[in-house]
Amino acid sequence: DAGVIQSPRHEVTEMGQEVTLRCKLISGHNSLFWYRQTMMRGLELLIYFNNNVPIDDSGMPEDRFSAKMPNASFSTLKIQPSEPRDSAVYFCASSYSGANVLTFGAGSRLTVL
Amino acid sequence: GEDVEQSLFLSVREGDSSVINCTYTDSSSTYLYWYKQEPGAGLQLLTYIFSNMDMKQDQRLTVLLNKKDKHLSLRIADTQTGDSAIYFCAEGSSAGNMLTFGGGTRLMVKP
Repeated sequence: DAGVIQSPRHEVTEMGQEVTLRCKLISGHNSLFWYRQTMMRGLELLIYFNNNVPIDDSGMPEDRFSAKMPNASFSTLKIQPSEPRDSAVYFCASSYSGANVLTFGAGSRLTVL
Repeated sequence: GEDVEQSLFLSVREGDSSVINCTYTDSSSTYLYWYKQEPGAGLQLLTYIFSNMDMKQDQRLTVLLNKKDKHLSLRIADTQTGDSAIYFCAEGSSAGNMLTFGGGTRLMVKP
């Protein structure tokens, strides 16, 4: 298996633009997590899906952020409009609910100018 | 809520042992994890321990758990320059797959 695949790896955009980050889960995994990592705040859980259903979105910063799982193997995290303070590395992780082990993607580094 | 604390930084010489410490607050934690993050990469699972165990050894890695004090440590024997990375402690409960991560400890290994 190729692991958790995230795209793009790097994105530079201007304030106000829409950003879409993508994640492909490991085949057979049914839980999906979006994390954000910054120097100031460390690793923050944004949202968690189980079997395509959002379970906990309390970490989503505000309405500008939205996440979807259109199918069992794919997720998007959208920021609209983006702001400079959204600059961070965004990680996607997946797991199988019986395994209690998260596998992380390589991350998407977002820079908002 | 749950809280996981780690020291920010550790520096050791190549060949020495490294010990990275972590404390957590959630007494219902079922699993405790150590992840490693190299520059520009995602978090990679190193090892994990069930809360009913007090020690787990895996090659150069030894995990010690003191459940009474809610203290977890990771010992790396014969530390190499390739071990330089950020190490994250995390705890999880049987209630789901959500993990709470510490802030990470940056390990620097000097030749």
